[in-house]
Amino acid sequence: GQQVMQIPQYQHVQEGEDFTTYCNSSTTLSNIQWYKQRPGGHPVFLIQLVKSGEVKKQKRLTFQFGEAKKNSSLHITATQTTDVGTYFCAGISHNTDKLIFGTGTRLQVFP
Amino acid sequence: KAGVTQTPRYLIKTRGQQVTLSCSPISGHRSVSWYQQTPGQGLQFLFEYFSETQRNKGNFPGRFSGRQFSNSRSEMNVSTLELGDSALYLCASSFPPREIPDTQYFGPGTRLTVL
Repeated sequence: GQQVMQIPQYQHVQEGEDFTTYCNSSTTLSNIQWYKQRPGGHPVFLIQLVKSGEVKKQKRLTFQFGEAKKNSSLHITATQTTDVGTYFCAGISHNTDKLIFGTGTRLQVFP
Repeated sequence: KAGVTQTPRYLIKTRGQQVTLSCSPISGHRSVSWYQQTPGQGLQFLFEYFSETQRNKGNFPGRFSGRQFSNSRSEMNVSTLELGDSALYLCASSFPPREIPDTQYFGPGTRLTVL
């Protein structure tokens, strides 16, 4: 079945360093969503990308949707301790119209 | 608007018992999805209900079932609980004008522990 994998699974960075998580789908996606889950919390929607090659920015966060609409990335510039959490991508399969969550990347930021 | 609410927040059951979890979506949202979250398996999709009908289903055994009421509130039931059912169960609502899933607004979850 369809899979959405994220790498890395874990990432520890020093505060101020950059961070990137990659999301790869086995099938073409209609769109890609990104969520953040703080420790002990629930996933919170960050952004949605729809167009091939689309790039969106939210302050220090940059989101990209691949040209083939099978992968995406989230890049955080100059991480802060408030960025700690698990980042999930979620894509809607072009074939099945089902929303599939990625495996998540847990980010730890050391002050 | 009030967010998605889930009750109870915490639950402890023993193997073989059954459990019912409740979810109230954001007012006006008609789609409710349920997810199981465990440290090892991440976020696993259970099922989605839209206008009282199950629209999508994940790969879970028949012990997991759900329903949606006319006011969009949803319940999830797990029968014959197993130790492996211990997890955080998240409910998410969305307001899909189309027939495909849209932005998920998650509730705080119900932490189920099976002893």
